[in-house]
Amino acid sequence: SYELTQPPSVSVSPGQTARITCSGDALPKKYAYWYQQKSGQAPVLVIYDDTKRPSGIPERFSGSSSGTMVTLTISGAQVEDEADYYCYSTDGSGDLWLFGGGTKLTVL
Amino acid sequence: EVRLEQSGTEVKKPGESLKISCKGSGYSFSTYWITWVRQMPGKGLERMGIIYPDDSDTRYNPSFQGQVTISVDKSVTTAYLQWSSLKASDTAVYYCAAHDSNTPPAAFWGQGTQVTVSS
Repeated sequence: SYELTQPPSVSVSPGQTARITCSGDALPKKYAYWYQQKSGQAPVLVIYDDTKRPSGIPERFSGSSSGTMVTLTISGAQVEDEADYYCYSTDGSGDLWLFGGGTKLTVL
Repeated sequence: EVRLEQSGTEVKKPGESLKISCKGSGYSFSTYWITWVRQMPGKGLERMGIIYPDDSDTRYNPSFQGQVTISVDKSVTTAYLQWSSLKASDTAVYYCAAHDSNTPPAAFWGQGTQVTVSS
Protein backbone atom coordinates (compact mmCIF):
# COMPACT_ATOMS: atom_id res chain seq x y z
CA SER A 1 0.00 0.00 0.00
CA TYR A 2 1.10 3.56 -0.64
CA GLU A 3 2.94 5.50 2.07
CA LEU A 4 4.20 9.01 2.67
CA THR A 5 7.30 9.00 4.86
CA GLN A 6 8.31 11.85 7.17
CA PRO A 7 11.01 12.08 9.85
CA PRO A 8 9.45 11.78 13.34
CA SER A 9 11.14 14.89 14.64
CA VAL A 10 13.14 17.97 13.66
CA SER A 11 14.72 20.38 16.10
CA VAL A 12 16.14 23.85 15.48
CA SER A 13 17.04 26.96 17.46
CA PRO A 14 14.97 30.13 17.00
CA GLY A 15 16.00 31.96 13.85
CA GLN A 16 17.41 28.87 12.17
CA THR A 17 15.95 27.20 9.08
CA ALA A 18 13.84 24.11 9.63
CA ARG A 19 13.38 21.62 6.81
CA ILE A 20 10.81 18.84 6.98
CA THR A 21 10.75 16.23 4.24
CA CYS A 22 8.08 13.92 2.91
CA SER A 23 8.81 11.13 0.45
CA GLY A 24 6.46 9.08 -1.69
CA ASP A 25 6.69 7.33 -5.03
CA ALA A 26 3.82 9.29 -6.59
CA LEU A 27 5.05 12.73 -5.55
CA PRO A 28 6.70 13.44 -8.93
CA LYS A 29 3.19 13.22 -10.45
CA LYS A 30 0.92 14.39 -7.61
CA TYR A 31 0.85 17.58 -5.58
CA ALA A 32 1.57 17.60 -1.86
CA TYR A 33 -0.05 19.67 0.83
CA TRP A 34 1.30 20.60 4.26
CA TYR A 35 -0.70 21.08 7.45
CA GLN A 36 0.43 22.54 10.75
CA GLN A 37 -1.18 21.25 13.94
CA LYS A 38 -0.44 22.95 17.21
CA SER A 39 -1.16 21.14 20.46
CA GLY A 40 -4.88 20.76 21.08
CA GLN A 41 -5.89 22.52 17.87
CA ALA A 42 -7.27 21.56 14.49
CA PRO A 43 -4.81 21.38 11.58
CA VAL A 44 -4.18 24.43 9.38
CA LEU A 45 -3.10 24.34 5.74
CA VAL A 46 0.26 26.08 5.30
CA ILE A 47 1.37 24.97 1.80
CA TYR A 48 -0.64 23.69 -1.16
CA ASP A 49 0.24 22.42 -4.64
CA ASP A 50 3.82 21.73 -3.43
CA THR A 51 4.91 25.37 -3.29
CA LYS A 52 1.97 27.76 -2.83
CA ARG A 53 1.19 29.58 0.40
CA PRO A 54 -2.41 30.34 1.44
CA SER A 55 -3.24 33.90 2.38
CA GLY A 56 -2.45 34.62 5.99
CA ILE A 57 0.44 32.16 6.22
CA PRO A 58 3.76 33.91 7.00
CA GLU A 59 6.29 34.21 4.19
CA ARG A 60 8.85 32.21 6.19
CA PHE A 61 6.88 29.08 5.19
CA SER A 62 7.77 27.70 1.78
CA GLY A 63 7.54 24.42 -0.09
CA SER A 64 9.62 22.70 -2.72
CA SER A 65 9.60 19.48 -4.69
CA SER A 66 12.33 17.31 -6.16
CA GLY A 67 11.65 13.85 -7.51
CA THR A 68 9.97 11.64 -4.94
CA MET A 69 10.47 14.14 -2.11
CA VAL A 70 8.76 17.35 -1.10
CA THR A 71 10.13 19.68 1.54
CA LEU A 72 8.52 22.20 3.87
CA THR A 73 11.00 24.92 4.80
CA ILE A 74 10.54 27.39 7.64
CA SER A 75 13.12 30.14 7.24
CA GLY A 76 13.92 31.81 10.53
CA ALA A 77 11.78 29.47 12.60
CA GLN A 78 10.06 31.03 15.59
CA VAL A 79 8.98 29.53 18.88
CA GLU A 80 5.34 29.80 17.78
CA ASP A 81 6.11 27.49 14.84
CA GLU A 82 6.51 24.57 17.24
CA ALA A 83 3.90 22.08 16.08
CA ASP A 84 3.32 18.81 14.30
CA TYR A 85 3.50 19.03 10.52
CA TYR A 86 1.82 16.60 8.14
CA CYS A 87 2.17 16.15 4.42
CA TYR A 88 -0.92 15.00 2.49
CA SER A 89 -1.13 13.61 -1.00
CA THR A 90 -2.58 10.87 -3.18
CA ASP A 91 -1.29 7.70 -4.78
CA GLY A 92 -0.83 7.44 -8.52
CA SER A 93 -4.50 6.65 -9.08
CA GLY A 94 -5.71 9.83 -7.40
CA ASP A 95 -8.30 7.83 -5.48
CA LEU A 96 -6.40 7.10 -2.28
CA TRP A 97 -5.47 10.18 -0.25
CA LEU A 98 -3.39 9.87 2.89
CA PHE A 99 -1.30 11.78 5.41
CA GLY A 100 2.33 11.24 6.20
CA GLY A 101 3.14 10.08 9.71
CA GLY A 102 3.81 13.62 10.90
CA THR A 103 6.93 15.47 12.07
CA LYS A 104 7.21 17.14 15.45
CA LEU A 105 9.07 20.42 15.07
CA THR A 106 10.79 21.69 18.20
CA VAL A 107 12.09 25.27 18.24
CA LEU A 108 14.22 26.00 21.30
CA GLU B 1 -16.52 32.53 5.35
CA VAL B 2 -16.50 28.74 5.43
CA ARG B 3 -17.41 27.48 8.89
CA LEU B 4 -17.62 23.89 10.06
CA GLU B 5 -19.21 23.33 13.47
CA GLN B 6 -18.80 19.84 14.92
CA SER B 7 -20.90 18.18 17.60
CA GLY B 8 -19.68 17.89 21.16
CA THR B 9 -17.70 15.41 23.20
CA GLU B 10 -19.08 11.87 23.39
CA VAL B 11 -18.47 9.20 26.03
CA LYS B 12 -19.84 5.80 25.06
CA LYS B 13 -19.54 2.14 26.01
CA PRO B 14 -18.22 -0.61 23.75
CA GLY B 15 -20.95 -1.97 21.52
CA GLU B 16 -22.99 1.25 21.51
CA SER B 17 -23.82 3.15 18.35
CA LEU B 18 -22.89 6.76 17.66
CA LYS B 19 -23.43 9.45 15.04
CA ILE B 20 -21.41 12.67 15.15
CA SER B 21 -22.04 15.68 12.99
CA CYS B 22 -20.35 18.47 11.08
CA LYS B 23 -22.54 21.45 10.14
CA GLY B 24 -21.35 23.66 7.30
CA SER B 25 -22.23 27.32 6.92
CA GLY B 26 -21.12 30.36 4.94
CA TYR B 27 -20.70 28.51 1.65
CA SER B 28 -22.49 26.36 -0.90
CA PHE B 29 -22.69 23.15 1.13
CA SER B 30 -23.65 20.88 -1.76
CA THR B 31 -20.54 21.59 -3.83
CA TYR B 32 -17.84 21.22 -1.17
CA TRP B 33 -16.37 17.82 -0.44
CA ILE B 34 -16.36 16.85 3.25
CA THR B 35 -13.43 14.75 4.49
CA TRP B 36 -13.41 12.93 7.84
CA VAL B 37 -10.07 12.53 9.65
CA ARG B 38 -9.24 10.47 12.74
CA GLN B 39 -6.56 11.29 15.29
CA MET B 40 -6.03 8.65 17.95
CA PRO B 41 -4.47 9.73 21.26
CA GLY B 42 -0.91 10.89 20.71
CA LYS B 43 -0.95 9.77 17.07
CA GLY B 44 -1.07 11.30 13.60
CA LEU B 45 -3.85 12.23 11.22
CA GLU B 46 -5.63 9.48 9.26
CA ARG B 47 -7.98 10.18 6.38
CA MET B 48 -11.09 8.06 6.82
CA GLY B 49 -13.16 8.98 3.81
CA ILE B 50 -14.85 11.70 1.83
CA ILE B 51 -18.36 12.60 0.65
CA TYR B 52 -19.71 14.97 -1.99
CA PRO B 53 -23.00 16.29 -0.64
CA ASP B 54 -24.57 17.09 -4.00
CA ASP B 55 -24.88 13.42 -5.01
CA SER B 56 -23.68 11.66 -1.82
CA ASP B 57 -20.73 10.14 -3.71
CA THR B 58 -18.74 8.55 -0.86
CA ARG B 59 -15.26 7.02 -0.83
CA TYR B 60 -13.58 5.31 2.09
CA ASN B 61 -9.92 4.72 2.76
CA PRO B 62 -9.39 0.93 2.88
CA SER B 63 -8.76 0.77 6.64
CA PHE B 64 -12.15 2.34 7.35
CA GLN B 65 -14.31 0.63 4.75
CA GLY B 66 -17.06 -1.27 6.57
CA GLN B 67 -16.06 0.21 9.93
CA VAL B 68 -17.91 3.54 9.71
CA THR B 69 -20.59 5.17 7.59
CA ILE B 70 -20.32 8.68 6.16
CA SER B 71 -23.50 10.47 5.13
CA VAL B 72 -24.99 13.92 4.57
CA ASP B 73 -28.31 15.72 4.93
CA LYS B 74 -28.29 18.65 2.52
CA SER B 75 -31.48 20.08 4.01
CA VAL B 76 -29.59 20.92 7.21
CA THR B 77 -26.15 21.34 5.59
CA THR B 78 -24.70 18.65 7.82
CA ALA B 79 -22.37 15.72 7.29
CA TYR B 80 -22.28 12.73 9.61
CA LEU B 81 -19.90 9.99 10.72
CA GLN B 82 -21.46 7.00 12.39
CA TRP B 83 -20.61 3.72 14.03
CA SER B 84 -23.00 0.82 14.63
CA SER B 85 -20.92 -0.85 17.33
CA LEU B 86 -18.13 1.12 18.95
CA LYS B 87 -14.86 -0.37 20.15
CA ALA B 88 -12.35 0.99 22.61
CA SER B 89 -9.99 1.49 19.68
CA ASP B 90 -12.44 4.07 18.24
CA THR B 91 -11.36 6.46 20.99
CA ALA B 92 -10.01 9.47 19.12
CA VAL B 93 -10.61 13.03 18.01
CA TYR B 94 -12.51 13.17 14.74
CA TYR B 95 -12.23 16.16 12.42
CA CYS B 96 -14.25 17.14 9.40
CA ALA B 97 -12.70 19.29 6.67
CA ALA B 98 -14.10 20.87 3.52
CA HIS B 99 -12.91 21.91 0.09
CA ASP B 100 -14.27 22.48 -3.39
CA SER B 101 -12.76 22.29 -6.86
CA ASN B 102 -11.19 25.73 -6.43
CA THR B 103 -9.55 25.15 -3.07
CA PRO B 104 -6.87 22.76 -1.82
CA PRO B 105 -8.04 19.51 -0.26
CA ALA B 106 -9.13 19.87 3.38
CA ALA B 107 -8.68 23.64 3.18
CA PHE B 108 -11.18 24.35 5.99
CA TRP B 109 -11.44 22.39 9.23
CA GLY B 110 -13.92 21.90 12.03
CA GLN B 111 -12.83 22.09 15.65
CA GLY B 112 -12.90 18.32 16.18
CA THR B 113 -15.09 15.95 18.20
CA GLN B 114 -13.61 13.89 21.04
CA VAL B 115 -15.04 10.38 21.18
CA THR B 116 -14.15 8.21 24.17
CA VAL B 117 -15.21 4.56 24.27
CA SER B 118 -14.74 2.90 27.63
CA SER B 119 -16.49 0.32 29.73
